[in-house]
Amino acid sequence: AQSVTQLDSHVSVSEGTPVLLRCNYSSSYSPSLFWYVQHPNKGLQLLLKYTSAATLVKGINGFEAEFKKSETSFHLTKPSAHMSDAAEYFCVVSDDYGGATNKLIFGTGTLLAVQP
Amino acid sequence: EAGVTQFPSHSVIEKGQTVTLRCDPISGHDNLYWYRRVMGKEIKFLLHFVKESKQDESGMPNNRFLAERTGGTYSTLKVQPAELEDSGVYFCASSPMTGVGYNEQFFGPGTRLTVL
Repeated sequence: AQSVTQLDSHVSVSEGTPVLLRCNYSSSYSPSLFWYVQHPNKGLQLLLKYTSAATLVKGINGFEAEFKKSETSFHLTKPSAHMSDAAEYFCVVSDDYGGATNKLIFGTGTLLAVQP
Repeated sequence: EAGVTQFPSHSVIEKGQTVTLRCDPISGHDNLYWYRRVMGKEIKFLLHFVKESKQDESGMPNNRFLAERTGGTYSTLKVQPAELEDSGVYFCASSPMTGVGYNEQFFGPGTRLTVL
């Protein structure tokens, strides 16, 4: 079965410092992995996706993630945090091998706080 | 282009009452998904429509939940009778049907349901 584990429920950084949000996955085959972000009172927005092409994936707003099969990790990074990055971030795997559902399996979320 | 919309944004009801949540997907999107996040837990898949047909309803918690998508446009999710453990945020998502690979799911802002 597919699953993802987000290692930190809360992360706090200072504005201008790097962001690292950690995610490990479990999959019996090559997974499709995503990071979604939810700002307060907004819907979930796709930040980036990995679908077995390049292992370093660039997303919106300066975020990127690296797929590391040997470590079963898909950590999200950003070189310099901005106040507007404060939100909840979800690591997600798609449960879609051979099927037509593409249902998403979410991690428990990481709340990112950015201090001025 | 309008995004996925959900109504109401908040609903507070008493245990035993009935509540109906509505989701309007992005126009032309054949896939429609319902997800739920209960307090302190991860977002979980409930079901998936392709047009008006239920493709996968493996995540529906019990028979108190009824989802419909008449005409393949908007969808409703009815909870009858509501129980305390049904409290949470209900998300709807839609995606186009291209038949190849992963199709990005676009999420609505969610409906926050509180059962007292």
